Amino acid sequence: AQSVTQLDSQVPVFEEAPVELRCNYSSSVSVYLFWYVQYPNQGLQLLLKYLSGSTLVKGINGFEAEFNKSQTSFHLRKPSVHISDTAEYFCAVSDYAGGTSYGKLTFGQGTILTVHP
Amino acid sequence: DAGVTQSPTHLIKTRGQHVTLRCSPISGHKSVSWYQQVLGQGPQFIFQYYEKEERGRGNFPDRFSARQFPNYSSELNVNALLLGDSALYLCASSLGLDRGRRETQYFGPGTRLLVL
Repeated sequence: AQSVTQLDSQVPVFEEAPVELRCNYSSSVSVYLFWYVQYPNQGLQLLLKYLSGSTLVKGINGFEAEFNKSQTSFHLRKPSVHISDTAEYFCAVSDYAGGTSYGKLTFGQGTILTVHP
Repeated sequence: DAGVTQSPTHLIKTRGQHVTLRCSPISGHKSVSWYQQVLGQGPQFIFQYYEKEERGRGNFPDRFSARQFPNYSSELNVNALLLGDSALYLCASSLGLDRGRRETQYFGPGTRLLVL
């Protein structure tokens, strides 16, 4: 079974400051990793995903994340945030080991990022 | 291009009633997944369908059921509603290749269900 822990439920930050949203996962098999963003009263939108290859993944809106296998982490970063980045962010995993696995996503509890002027 | 659409957007039901939620995937997508998002929590997987067959089911009671139609649209049904079923129900679609493991799932705006 897999689990995802987002270490911060809320992260307040000032505009143009850097931000890091932390995500750790637990799985007995190899996983794919995803970050989604949810704006108020909307569905989820993919920011970026790690499938294989370079551990540094770049996504939309200037976000990036680094996969660290030894620490089972996939932290999301942005060097300079904007007011429009205020939203809830979800880390998710899906496993790919074995013939019976499929694209079921297991999500963390979410981190609310609030950007203040 | 149209994204994933869901209907209705909001719904109010009373305990014990039945509800049907509908989802239309992105054109060309053959896989549909359903998730329940309780307020303040991350989405939880309910079902995944591919080519009208159930590919997987999450840890939800038998009161929850779903189906996928030949046009790849899907319905989620919940019987004997409980107060705890109040949540945002999200539908996601993907191409369904490689059992969907590497694919991006595209989410609809959700149906917000309130059970009184």
